[in-house]
Amino acid sequence: QVQLVESGGGVVQPGRSLGLSCAASGFTFSSYVMHWVRQAPGKGLEWVAVISKDGSTQTYADSVKGRFTISRDNSKNTVYLQMSSLTTEDTAVYSCAREFHSSNLAGAFDIWGQGTRVSVS
Amino acid sequence: DIQMTQSPSSLSASVGDRVTITCRASQGISSWLAWYQQKPGKAPKSLIYAASSLQSGVPSRFSGSGSGTYFTLTINSLQPEDFATYFCQHYNNYPVTFGGGTKVEIK
Repeated sequence: QVQLVESGGGVVQPGRSLGLSCAASGFTFSSYVMHWVRQAPGKGLEWVAVISKDGSTQTYADSVKGRFTISRDNSKNTVYLQMSSLTTEDTAVYSCAREFHSSNLAGAFDIWGQGTRVSVS
Repeated sequence: DIQMTQSPSSLSASVGDRVTITCRASQGISSWLAWYQQKPGKAPKSLIYAASSLQSGVPSRFSGSGSGTYFTLTINSLQPEDFATYFCQHYNNYPVTFGGGTKVEIK
C-alpha cells in the first residue's frame, strides 16, 4: 500500500547534526513533490521544507533556512532531511508528506508518515 | 506569512450531531485550503482540498466550504470514528501554515 516511513530520529545535543530519512512505497515516488513537516510538543504543525520531483528545487521555512537541507534519491524512493546546528527549538516529531494538489506555488498533502521524534537536549 | 486561525479549539458533541469548524486566513487565499483529521499516534488523514473537494474515500458526511479568508469544515451526523483533531492548512504560497487544530470530543 501507499506509505511513508520515517527514520533517524533520536536524542541529540544542541549544536549537533542529525539526518532523517523517509522511505516511500506503493507509488511512483519520482512523480511527487515531497515535504517535511514538524510538530513540537504541545504545539501546532509547522511546515519545514519542500523538494521538487527531480530534486532540483528546494524551499525552506525561515526557521530552518541555512541549517536544514532537504534532498531526495529517486532511485531509492527516499527523501532526506539533514539538520545541523540544532537547538532546543527543533525538538519535534518530524513527518514527511506527499503533495497531491498544488496552487502552483504550494501544495496540500494526501499521504503523511507517522513521524520520527527528534529531541535536542 | 499567512496566519490560519481555527475555532473552536475544542468542542464536545454527541454521535449524530452536526459539527462545524471554522478557519480564517489572515489574507485572501482563494480556495487553496485543505482540511485534515488526526487521531492520537496516527498520521494525519486528508479530508478536503481546494476548500470543498472531498478526498477520495472520505465519507460524504464531511464537507468543506468557503473562499478568500473564511472557511468551514462541517461533519453531518457525527460518527464514533470522527472523534479526533481537525486542522486546516493553506497552500496559497510558501510557507504553508496550519491552523491550531480543533479537538472533537465525545459529550
